[in-house]
Amino acid sequence: GQQLNQSPQSMFIQEGEDVSMNCTSSSIFNTWLWYKQEPGEGPVLLIALYKAGELTSNGRLTAQFGITRKDSFLNISASIPSDVGIYFCAGQEARAGGTSYGKLTFGQGTILTVHP
Amino acid sequence: ETGVTQTPRHLVMGMTNKKSLKCEQHLGHNAMYWYKQSAKKPLELMFVYSLEERVENNSVPSRFSPECPNSSHLFLHLHTLQPEDSALYLCASSRARGSSETQYFGPGTRLLVL
Repeated sequence: GQQLNQSPQSMFIQEGEDVSMNCTSSSIFNTWLWYKQEPGEGPVLLIALYKAGELTSNGRLTAQFGITRKDSFLNISASIPSDVGIYFCAGQEARAGGTSYGKLTFGQGTILTVHP
Repeated sequence: ETGVTQTPRHLVMGMTNKKSLKCEQHLGHNAMYWYKQSAKKPLELMFVYSLEERVENNSVPSRFSPECPNSSHLFLHLHTLQPEDSALYLCASSRARGSSETQYFGPGTRLLVL
């Protein structure tokens, strides 16, 4: 099956610093998604990317869909304490013939800690 | 508020109990998913319902039994679980077809099996 490598596994940064994390895949995806999960909650969608090369921002967050369609990165600028959480990338396959949904493959997550 | 709700939020059960997890989505979606999230593991897809039909069952033990009575509701019936089934169970929904099939998650049910 699809494999996603997400790095780094964890980051400890000072408030105000910029953050960068990425995901790479052995296979091509049609969609890349970035989620954030806080303790005791489900993942919340941050950014969705639908085209190779697409660069999308959501406030201080910027994500890009790699040209090869096998990678994506997420940047957070000027981090603040509430950025703490686990960030997941997810790649969505093209729908295989006969199926009615696009399967998601998740990375292992990046645990972000921000020190005030 | 993502439009996907799950109840209960926390559940403790013994290995001989029978319980059910409930998920409801208010987004007008027609595909719903159950995931299991264990510590230090990627999310594991368990079941997928699309247009109220089960379209995926990822080798999940029969002690987990899903039910999708309509496109807004999804249940996961639990019986004779094992301690290793303790995890966060997440429900998600999406459109079944179209240009955007992005999945939106509920808050999860934290399950502890004693």
